[in-house]
Amino acid sequence: TQLLEQSPQFLSIQEGENLTVYCNSSSVFSSLQWYRQEPGEGPVLLVTVVTGGEVKKLKRLTFQFGDARKDSSLHITAAQPGDTGLYLCAGARNSGYALNFGKGTSLLVTP
Amino acid sequence: KAGVTQTPRYLIKTRGQQVTLSCSPISGHRSVSWYQQTPGQGLQFLFEYFSETQRNKGNFPGRFSGRQFSNSRSEMNVSTLELGDSALYLCASSLLTGTQETQYFGPGTRLLVL
Repeated sequence: TQLLEQSPQFLSIQEGENLTVYCNSSSVFSSLQWYRQEPGEGPVLLVTVVTGGEVKKLKRLTFQFGDARKDSSLHITAAQPGDTGLYLCAGARNSGYALNFGKGTSLLVTP
Repeated sequence: KAGVTQTPRYLIKTRGQQVTLSCSPISGHRSVSWYQQTPGQGLQFLFEYFSETQRNKGNFPGRFSGRQFSNSRSEMNVSTLELGDSALYLCASSLLTGTQETQYFGPGTRLLVL
């Protein structure tokens, strides 16, 4: 059972467009992390959000944690080809030792 | 600081064989977690070790096992390989145990079972 559902599964856009990726769950998480994974590499942590309603910005990337700490979104402004990759969200629980990952959103940004 | 290293990077095995994968965490990190990544299931947690003790285990059959050494290096073993075991196996290390710690992933070992 996948605790975290990501949408869309695939996204192909042109350079300069904006996009939003969603990560939804019926479970509450103590924190939520976003990773980007490029082909042949392991996931690299982009951000961790811990407070309901929290918004974090990382250059052109904006991350939001839902008020109820069950969902999150990643918005990219003016996408660039370098943003291409697999974006993964992962939820953490206070009492757990394992991250629960979504299946990811595969993003392709063409020039 | 050197990142998480995994060896080998690529591996081809046949059904019924066994395989051992190795992970060297970032220096000073004591927790090592293993994940299996497939296109259909995404990243799924296998197990986590901290100070040579398995702290948590995912929902995988007993054919999947692991261990951690005193220098924090970890190995995972899969016995009696099945076609469905073909996947990218990722190792992640963190300074301490628990999901509140930032996990740093290695590049993975891509296993193909024929």
